[in-house]
Amino acid sequence: AQSVTQLGSHVSVSEGALVLLRCNYSSSVPPYLFWYVQYPNQGLQLLLKYTTGATLVKGINGFEAEFKKSETSFHLTKPSAHMSDAAEYFCAVSDSGGNNRLAFGKGNQVVVIP
Amino acid sequence: EPEVTQTPSHQVTQMGQEVILRCVPISNHLYFYWYRQILGQKVEFLVSFYNNEISEKSEIFDDQFSVERPDGSNFTLKIRSTKLEDSAMYFCASSPTINEQFFGPGTRLTVL
Repeated sequence: AQSVTQLGSHVSVSEGALVLLRCNYSSSVPPYLFWYVQYPNQGLQLLLKYTTGATLVKGINGFEAEFKKSETSFHLTKPSAHMSDAAEYFCAVSDSGGNNRLAFGKGNQVVVIP
Repeated sequence: EPEVTQTPSHQVTQMGQEVILRCVPISNHLYFYWYRQILGQKVEFLVSFYNNEISEKSEIFDDQFSVERPDGSNFTLKIRSTKLEDSAMYFCASSPTINEQFFGPGTRLTVL
């Protein structure tokens, strides 16, 4: 079964500083990997995904993530934090074998300090 | 832009009652899902639905739960004989393929 680990439930970052959210996964088959963002009182919105091909994937709002198989990681970054990036971020994994249930991490609550 | 909608946004019920949570998936999507998030815990998969039948369900999805697509547009989750521990945010999702799921805003269920 797949699983995801996200460390540090709350992450504080200064406006303009690098945003780095770590995600490590466990999967017995090649994974599909996702980052979702949740703003207050809203649903989960897809930021970006990795399925196959290029390991560096770019998403919305200036975010990107790199799939590193050797490290079983899919860390999310953004070079310069904006106040509007304050939200909760979830990493998720599903397998590529047709079992498309998503397994989520616990999430990171990002606080942007002006 | 099309989106998944869910009603109600907040449902309060008494323990032992039945509730039906409603979802309208994006119209051309083929796969439908329910997830839940108990306060302070991970988002957990409950069930997936394709071609008018359950394609996969988790160990959480026991006989207390059922899903239905009654009219080709709605997708419902029924919870019978609710328990205190059923209190959670329930998310519906839909997808055109297996690669990307679009989530609704959720229904907060409170069982008293």
